[in-house]
Amino acid sequence: GAVVSQHPSWVICKSGTSVKIECRSLDFQATTMFWYRQFPKQSLMLMATSNEGSKATYEQGVEKDKFLINHASLTLSTLTVTSAHPEDSSFYICSARDKQTYNEQFFGPGTRLTVL
Amino acid sequence: TQLLEQSPQFLSIQEGENLTVYCNSSSVFSSLQWYRQEPGEGPVLLVTVVTGGEVKKLKRLTFQFGDARKDSSLHITAAQPGDTGLYLCAGARNNQGGKLIFGQGTELSVKP
Repeated sequence: GAVVSQHPSWVICKSGTSVKIECRSLDFQATTMFWYRQFPKQSLMLMATSNEGSKATYEQGVEKDKFLINHASLTLSTLTVTSAHPEDSSFYICSARDKQTYNEQFFGPGTRLTVL
Repeated sequence: TQLLEQSPQFLSIQEGENLTVYCNSSSVFSSLQWYRQEPGEGPVLLVTVVTGGEVKKLKRLTFQFGDARKDSSLHITAAQPGDTGLYLCAGARNNQGGKLIFGQGTELSVKP
């Protein structure tokens, strides 16, 4: 299957700082990437859809000014958590959509964010 | 409102037992994916089903898509401790920009 990388795999930061997470599709072009948040032993919660060259579409209840998404190329999307607070601590996962194969999404390994 | 109901949400069984996980919806899906996720990692795609009534097998795992493409099941035969993990079903609908609707997940624990 297609490979999606995510960096960093974990990050610890102080409250009030901003954290950038990168998501890359390594062997295919992804016009659409998705950002999810996941709490322990729960399913994935979609935060936003990132389309290359256009503004991201955010799900209801997700603050676009807090979770900045940039999809500058066909293989890279970034999520920046601005002014992070302890309640933002979570497991963030990106996925890239392969349009050629029935809308399958291939997931990155996730980023564990801990805000102190 | 949960658009894709997955059950059971927790399952603890002994090695060698069989199990079935269900995903049900009132909506029609153009395709449905099953993923397996281990702690601290991203979900890994197991299978995609697209045709009503389709059955796919992956070693001891059997996946079925309902005739009306509204439901799906995952059956594991002779479960092994290595099958332990979070199983997720996710459906795609037409004209949704590729968004997936996820079930609640099934946390499976297989004890030796």
